[in-house]
Amino acid sequence: KAGVTQTPRYLIKTRGQQVTLSCSPISGHRSVSWYQQTPGQGLQFLFEYFSETQRNKGNFPGRFSGRQFSNSRSEMNVSTLELGDSALYLCASSSLGADTQYFGPGTRLTVL
Amino acid sequence: AQSVTQLGSHVSVSEGALVLLRCNYSSSVPPYLFWYVQYPNQGLQLLLKYTSAATLVKGINGFEAEFKKSETSFHLTKPSAHMSDAAEYFCAFYSPNTGNQFYFGTGTSLTVIP
Repeated sequence: KAGVTQTPRYLIKTRGQQVTLSCSPISGHRSVSWYQQTPGQGLQFLFEYFSETQRNKGNFPGRFSGRQFSNSRSEMNVSTLELGDSALYLCASSSLGADTQYFGPGTRLTVL
Repeated sequence: AQSVTQLGSHVSVSEGALVLLRCNYSSSVPPYLFWYVQYPNQGLQLLLKYTSAATLVKGINGFEAEFKKSETSFHLTKPSAHMSDAAEYFCAFYSPNTGNQFYFGTGTSLTVIP
């Protein structure tokens, strides 16, 4: 089985712009979770989608949003980018959400 | 509150020495526990997981972890460190009471000294 894929791998944006990140889960997995990883804050949970519904949400501002499609692929959107949004964004998929999470390679976002 | 705590943000060991990375959890019900490893500029890779089948769990790359309920611990060990073990290690926690959400520790950076 192919693993979790994330696109793009690297992204450079400027403050005020918006960005969309994409995640394709392992085939058959219906749960997709998103995390933000920074040196200072570690891994922080953004949200989780299961069967196209947001099931859990972390403590991030409304500028961070996501969605999941019927094929379980997920997108994450960040609007009005701030310098502090520079991070590695990781996507993880699991078969039921209550099982092992498998991570993609991440998207490295740099905001200038 | 249910959570997982990793003791020691940085650990250094000599090549060939024992690796011990500490993780403690807080939960009112038996949790699922995981160890992940992250190499630079990569995602997290599952090392091993505990799901109550056996208290001693063997993972990839020679790592193992023991679930100790009395100590609420799930420490990761490897008998002999290799240079390629240098990475960031994360302990993660899930329980039925956490609403299908995983909680990750703050990570431990392992340095292997030649």
